[in-house]
Amino acid sequence: GQNIDQPTEMTATEGAIVQINCTYQTSGFNGLFWYQQHAGEAPTFLSYNVLDGLEEKGRFSSFLSRSKGYSYLLLKELQMKDSASYLCAVRERRKLSFGAGTTVTVRA
Amino acid sequence: GAVVSQHPSRVICKSGTSVKIECRSLDFQATTMFWYRQFPKQSLMLMATSNEGSKATYEQGVEKDKFLINHASLTLSTLTVTSAHPEDSSFYICSARGGGGTSYEQYFGPGTRLTVT
Repeated sequence: GQNIDQPTEMTATEGAIVQINCTYQTSGFNGLFWYQQHAGEAPTFLSYNVLDGLEEKGRFSSFLSRSKGYSYLLLKELQMKDSASYLCAVRERRKLSFGAGTTVTVRA
Repeated sequence: GAVVSQHPSRVICKSGTSVKIECRSLDFQATTMFWYRQFPKQSLMLMATSNEGSKATYEQGVEKDKFLINHASLTLSTLTVTSAHPEDSSFYICSARGGGGTSYEQYFGPGTRLTVT
């Protein structure tokens, strides 16, 4: 199985940048995902990395280093609606496992 | 993106009864469906994986006789919680993955909040 670690909580100001780190250990890496989840709702897909490097998608970017077992999600120009839980998920073969999630609170 | 629906969104049942939750992929054929459970302030825990027409594969610690999964078609999977108890109260989320296109991506349903009294 995987050990997926990410910080529990982060707080940032509207308009700022926040970086959420995720480290993992797996024997059959087959992709890393980031999801956003608002309270009481299902996760929504943000990004997918399977090769090393940075994937940029609008205000959100995700980075992966397979050799280090490390990824981060970068949120730019934070908006109040970005307050949510951000889940790092690792696919090992065909199974997707989730970290505990990082609750991001955006303050005015 | 692809749409996955779940029904019901909320259900309250009495202890000892059974509850069925439906998961449908609305605009694609889901070759694989996943069932997750999420307790408050915790992450999603995979319960089982099902492929259309075959038996589900359950994760360690998940009772297959208590959580019955049926994946009868490429667009429908059901999870039945049998003889529910208060400790089964949780947020149940299904996820579906298609066979082509962006097959790496899993699409999540909106979840079902189960409360057992």
